[in-house]
Amino acid sequence: GAGVSQSPSNKVTEKGKDVELRCDPISGHTALYWYRQSLGQGLEFLIYFQGNSAPDKSGLPSDRFSAERTGGSVSTLTIQRTQQEDSAVYLCASSSGFHRGSSTDTQYFGPGTRLTVL
Amino acid sequence: AQKVTQAQTEISVVEKEDVTLDCVYETRDTTYYLFWYKQPPSGELVFLIRRNSFDEQNEISGRYSWNFQKSTSSFNFTITASQVVDSAVYFCALSEARNTDKLIFGTGTRLQVFP
Repeated sequence: GAGVSQSPSNKVTEKGKDVELRCDPISGHTALYWYRQSLGQGLEFLIYFQGNSAPDKSGLPSDRFSAERTGGSVSTLTIQRTQQEDSAVYLCASSSGFHRGSSTDTQYFGPGTRLTVL
Repeated sequence: AQKVTQAQTEISVVEKEDVTLDCVYETRDTTYYLFWYKQPPSGELVFLIRRNSFDEQNEISGRYSWNFQKSTSSFNFTITASQVVDSAVYFCALSEARNTDKLIFGTGTRLQVFP
């Protein structure tokens, strides 16, 4: 079956521009996560969705970062007024979310979007 | 506070050697989950294993085995008879039952297997 997909795979933008990153989770997965992987910070959590709600936004680094999820499926991560320190690989993961604590809650990752801010 | 430590930054071995990747975790939760992911040069994180805090039984899957010891807060990963295709960065991660299942990752161990 199809895994998590992300687009674009690569994005180069100029400092100050806005960018949108898209994530398509595995069909039927209600939980969706965004992470960021950068050289200096490693892999860090950004935001968690259960359905269309985001009960945990604690990892968003600033108010320039926002995310939404519609129809309990596709999610978009938006970064406004990009800065060079936003350069990283943005990873999306999904899990079934149905039974917290069961084997079905494993998170499966997409290939990531590499963002470069010039 | 929750934390995962992978003290080995990089390990190099020759093919067919056994290698163990260390992972030490910290959590105040009594119910938590531990994971290992592999990140090959292609970049995608590949799930390898999940263990629940109440199940300390060790697991073997082919050449891979995992040793979970709550007494030392460790969840080590051993590759037996390593192969060049095992070359990757390996991440250990923790999630806590009361903490939305978000993953807390270690800094990763880069494994290089030479022919």
